[in-house]
Amino acid sequence: AIVLNQSPSSIIASQGEKVTITCRASSSISSNYLHWYQQKPGAFPKLVIYSTSYRASGVPSRFSGSGSGTSYSFTISRVEAEDVATYYCQQGSSNPFTFGSGTKLEIK
Amino acid sequence: EVQLVESGGGLVQPGRSLKLSCAASGFTFSNYYMAWVRQAPKKGLEWVATISTSGSRTYYPDSVKGRFTISRDNAKSSLYLQMNSLKSEDTATYYCARHAIYNNCFDYWGQGVMVTVSS
Repeated sequence: AIVLNQSPSSIIASQGEKVTITCRASSSISSNYLHWYQQKPGAFPKLVIYSTSYRASGVPSRFSGSGSGTSYSFTISRVEAEDVATYYCQQGSSNPFTFGSGTKLEIK
Repeated sequence: EVQLVESGGGLVQPGRSLKLSCAASGFTFSNYYMAWVRQAPKKGLEWVATISTSGSRTYYPDSVKGRFTISRDNAKSSLYLQMNSLKSEDTATYYCARHAIYNNCFDYWGQGVMVTVSS
């Protein structure tokens, strides 16, 4: 199984700050198959970025993604209070489809 | 608007069975692969099962293979997960999700249903 190592496990940021989360895969993944989800406290996950860099419908432009091969990143250019959530990367390259362990974003 | 509504969760004893349901609306259900993803309390996400549009192909990780069965009824726009030989480690919130087959992402999720396996 492809293991996704996500870091950091938690971030405390100020509003307006830029934050970046990394996701490193144990094997190379086509960029078409790397995705990011946002899970707000007490809620279900929501797709934010698909295929490395494409924003899902209705997702603000402050969210972006990049990467290739085994190294991917997710960035919020200017964090807002509503972005408090846990963020997960996920690979769809091979069965079993796996998720990273999550990054919890909190606001100072 | 895509809506996925799960039901059927609850408390069940180890070794027993439980069947979850998911009612879908807002899209042409029969055109999409569907999946179940679970989340143990305070833990991360784990993909549990996927089913093809017709139901002829199913996919599972080793952790549930042979114990869980995913199925669907396209006439009722409904997805199911039959869970047998339940273990305490199956305790989780189970989410129904639409599975985008072109890139294997889960593009819409239900609100989830809690399953607790305990004596």
